[in-house]
Amino acid sequence: GENVEQHPSTLSVQEGDSAVIKCTYSDSASNYFPWYKQELGKRPQLIIDIRSNVGEKKDQRIAVTLNKTAKHFSLHITETQPEDSAVYFCAATGRRALTFGSGTRLQVQP
Amino acid sequence: GAVVSQHPSRVICKSGTSVKIECRSLDFQATTMFWYRQFPKQSLMLMATSNEGSKATYEQGVEKDKFLINHASLTLSTLTVTSAHPEDSSFYICSARFIAGGPQETQYFGPGTRLLVL
Repeated sequence: GENVEQHPSTLSVQEGDSAVIKCTYSDSASNYFPWYKQELGKRPQLIIDIRSNVGEKKDQRIAVTLNKTAKHFSLHITETQPEDSAVYFCAATGRRALTFGSGTRLQVQP
Repeated sequence: GAVVSQHPSRVICKSGTSVKIECRSLDFQATTMFWYRQFPKQSLMLMATSNEGSKATYEQGVEKDKFLINHASLTLSTLTVTSAHPEDSSFYICSARFIAGGPQETQYFGPGTRLLVL
């Protein structure tokens, strides 16, 4: 099955700085890579996703890059704000259920 | 947008009782729903895949007789935790996948059910 590894587990940045979270996956058949933001006690919210036929996707301050050859993908948040503080999960899937990374707790210091 | 509801949002029960959790897709049909469990400060772990009209597929290590799943319609899946014990206390989250009208891989999550077994 799929195995997704995520780093770092915690990340603290100053407001306005950029944050980068990295994930690797094992199953070369995976072709869909979403990123979720989860606030304490709430459901994961999809913030951006990328498919294997695309190398990069951007949505305002959030961007995701995918390197299929190396089987890794990354989330980039620019101009971070305190409300970006949350736990972020990467995930990967082919046609089955999502396999999640272990999560990154992002703390944006005002 | 796609909306998935879950009920109840929170439940406290005594050890040995059974608890039923409902997951509904409100504005779309889903042939497939997924049930995840999340322990504090941990990631979401897939428990089972619920397919409308057929038996659920359970992940390794998840007891199918303890976690009963019924996917009776294209908009409703239920998870019943039978004979619950304190170690079953967790955050249970369902997700539903589009069957038409959008990317088939996209999953939308319910708000979750926090179960506390005393």
